[in-house]
Amino acid sequence: GAVVSQHPSWVICKSGTSVKIECRSLDFQATTMFWYRQFPKQSLMLMATSNEGSKATYEQGVEKDKFLINHASLTLSTLTVTSAHPEDSSFYICSARVVVPPGGDGYTFGSGTRLTVV
Amino acid sequence: GEDVEQSLFLSVREGDSSVINCTYTDSSSTYLYWYKQEPGAGLQLLTYIFSNMDMKQDQRLTVLLNKKDKHLSLRIADTQTGDSAIYFCAERMGSGGGADGLTFGKGTHLIIQP
Repeated sequence: GAVVSQHPSWVICKSGTSVKIECRSLDFQATTMFWYRQFPKQSLMLMATSNEGSKATYEQGVEKDKFLINHASLTLSTLTVTSAHPEDSSFYICSARVVVPPGGDGYTFGSGTRLTVV
Repeated sequence: GEDVEQSLFLSVREGDSSVINCTYTDSSSTYLYWYKQEPGAGLQLLTYIFSNMDMKQDQRLTVLLNKKDKHLSLRIADTQTGDSAIYFCAERMGSGGGADGLTFGKGTHLIIQP
């Protein structure tokens, strides 16, 4: 089945540094990928939609200069948290739309990245 | 705007059926999904239902959709300890197409009693 590989699984960084999270579609091409953020015991909130070869579309309230998204190829999207602060600590998950038999569609998710900023 | 509501907790005995309920507000939703999330892990797609369907069954899982009331439910038959997880209801945002993300409920934590 369609697999999205997300790395790293967890990262601890110092306040003020930047962290890059990668999301790869392993056996399919993903023109569009989605980036979500999940706070403890909360739902997933869509941050942005990443489009291959063009600029990402950010949801209202998400700072595009803070969360840089690059979708340089059909199999790779990256999210860079710039100048990270403790309030950026969260669980970040990427997702791609896939065809789900029989004839429907769904979204497959990466395993997530636990970011802790100290 | 879109909003998806779920109960936060559900406790059932092993072997019983679990019914997780969800309400949504966007009447233009085309697809509705159920995802499972185990501790520290990503989301696993359990099943989905297209908006023109009332029911869908897949092994132990039964999804019921009441479009008039905007109510979605997931029934897990013969609940096992391995079913213990958080279950998210989600609807596709927007009017369809590949560029739409999902709106999630807060998730229902399913607790299995021995």
